[in-house]
Amino acid sequence: GQSLEQPSEVTAVEGAIVQINCTYQTSGFYGLSWYQQHDGGAPTFLSYNGLDGLEETGRFSSFLSRSDSYGYLLLQELQMKDSASYLCAVRSVTWSWGKLQFGAGTQVVVTP
Amino acid sequence: GAGVSQSPSNKVTEKGKDVELRCDPISGHTALYWYRQSLGQGLEFLIYFQGNSAPDKSGLPSDRFSAERTGGSVSTLTIQRTQQEDSAVYLCASSLGGGAGNEQFFGPGTRLTVL
Repeated sequence: GQSLEQPSEVTAVEGAIVQINCTYQTSGFYGLSWYQQHDGGAPTFLSYNGLDGLEETGRFSSFLSRSDSYGYLLLQELQMKDSASYLCAVRSVTWSWGKLQFGAGTQVVVTP
Repeated sequence: GAGVSQSPSNKVTEKGKDVELRCDPISGHTALYWYRQSLGQGLEFLIYFQGNSAPDKSGLPSDRFSAERTGGSVSTLTIQRTQQEDSAVYLCASSLGGGAGNEQFFGPGTRLTVL
């Protein structure tokens, strides 16, 4: 079957580093995306990993290991504005190109 | 426009009524998507359009749900005979194409409440 798992909540202090893991069981896995969603807001794209390894975009980095069916999003130098839900999403070659399957999201709470 | 827009932002309806939700994608985006998000849940894929055709309708929960897209632009999601379990935020997104890695740009959503 298809499944996507990520922790429900992570709490950290300002300035800290947080790693949000995402494990998947997806036939024909093609790639992993990350989106940020503030409370009551629309999801916004953060990163995409189509190949194994690390992708860095400013304070945020994303990693993928296909052999482990696992990826993570790393948030560095946490700021209060980073308090949000972070959603991982997978694509599969067995689906249409347009279909993304999203995880339930990880709520990151940043404290002073 | 500058971003994806959706209307209405909020819709309250009675069980059994039909509702129409509208999405205006970013100009030039050929791919359009509808998702549903229930309280505290992730996004549930509903349907994907490439141009005016829908290659993937696999996420529509029942035949009460339908969607169309005209002129390669505006899309309407229609829910007939609404049920209380249809209550959710309905999100629309668009992208330049439907290929892998193409960033999806989301609208603010329509919050549907079925009484």
